Amino acid sequence: GESVGLHLPTLSVQEGDNSIINCAYSNSASDYFIWYKQESGKGPQFIIDIRSNMDKRQGQRVTVLLNKTVKHLSLQIAATQPGDSAVYFCAENSGGSNYKLTFGKGTLLTVNP
Amino acid sequence: EAQVTQNPRYLITVTGKKLTVTCSQNMNHEYMSWYRQDPGLGLRQIYYSMNVEVTDKGDVPEGYKVSRKEKRNFPLILESPSPNQTSLYFCASSLGVRKSEQFFGPGTRLTVL
Repeated sequence: GESVGLHLPTLSVQEGDNSIINCAYSNSASDYFIWYKQESGKGPQFIIDIRSNMDKRQGQRVTVLLNKTVKHLSLQIAATQPGDSAVYFCAENSGGSNYKLTFGKGTLLTVNP
Repeated sequence: EAQVTQNPRYLITVTGKKLTVTCSQNMNHEYMSWYRQDPGLGLRQIYYSMNVEVTDKGDVPEGYKVSRKEKRNFPLILESPSPNQTSLYFCASSLGVRKSEQFFGPGTRLTVL
């Protein structure tokens, strides 16, 4: 598959452990955030989103935490599985008349069986 | 099946030879977008479209053109490709940049010699 993992921060975990992937965003006006997962050779896939009026949102096995004070976003994956191995991206949008999405550079998660 | 399709999936061309990468979605989405993905730089937005005949620049629009004559199609045009446009390109669509998840196409690997 296509290599998009070069020069990326990496996180290696054991199967069954919880994973925490972090993202720092730069635009203090951003108020909508998304996490994407990209497996090798595929396009990004939506995982979960959160708006700035929330500081936590839960999905199936995933939780996103938003700390607006320090402009930090994290994705927690519970009971990580080998199928979770991928590159994870955060993206942000500042709303209003801005319709652009700005992506972070990604984190490569490797799950060891 | 709901999907975003791109063609071609792989293309090798030479500097200056005009090319078009097609993108089509069957979900009646209003928002469509093009991204390029390069190692170490993540996903960067090239152009986006809020609806038919409404397009706007993303973060890296130089050297690209787009059109949105129909809701389902959003072709990316390189009038005079250059080697620095060698990249992996993704098309995506959604109901809106903040209304729903973006669905990504499978990607187009472009090499400009």
